[in-house]
Amino acid sequence: EAQVTQNPRYLITVTGKKLTVTCSQNMNHEYMSWYRQDPGLGLRQIYYSMNVEVTDKGDVPEGYKVSRKEKRNFPLILESPSPNQTSLYFCASSLSTGSEDIQYFGAGTRLSVL
Amino acid sequence: GEDVEQSLFLSVREGDSSVINCTYTDSSSTYLYWYKQEPGAGLQLLTYIFSNMDMKQDQRLTVLLNKKDKHLSLRIADTQTGDSAIYFCAETSSSGTYKYIFGTGTRLKVLA
Repeated sequence: EAQVTQNPRYLITVTGKKLTVTCSQNMNHEYMSWYRQDPGLGLRQIYYSMNVEVTDKGDVPEGYKVSRKEKRNFPLILESPSPNQTSLYFCASSLSTGSEDIQYFGAGTRLSVL
Repeated sequence: GEDVEQSLFLSVREGDSSVINCTYTDSSSTYLYWYKQEPGAGLQLLTYIFSNMDMKQDQRLTVLLNKKDKHLSLRIADTQTGDSAIYFCAETSSSGTYKYIFGTGTRLKVLA
């Protein structure tokens, strides 16, 4: 089954404690992306990756890092989380960046930073 | 920077048509999308339209694009309770950045 898998689904942590949210897709997609969803703000793109070892900043990259060492995985790293990073995070992937290349979304990771 | 705006809420009666509106600012927008998010789930692509099209119909869904006014709408005919969800419009451009810009989302509530 084609899917984008995020882990964990829920995470509560404390300020400053490094964490990683994993994202994996099994569709051999080139394009992967991370978003955060906040009430009244919709989805905002954090980082995206066009292919292995190719990453670029979205609209809200501050406080986040990503890596794309292999095609299927695109982890999101928070080196020193802060309470304003409390949010619902989504990973997405698509075959490439053409209009007909549907973005498939993971189920989301709800992060609370205390 | 680019911006995409939507109204936050819409309430309709079952069987009526719903129209969800979206405005965007990026004149280089090439592709515009409508996504649906059901409670506790990720986003699901409903439909998309190229910027050189005015209209696209897909079963109960009709997308209208007014490129001059940078206005996009999604009409859902014969709205059902299962259509209750948050609807996001999104745009991306061919300007080389391959960023996706999403709107704030419109929460559609369908009353039985």
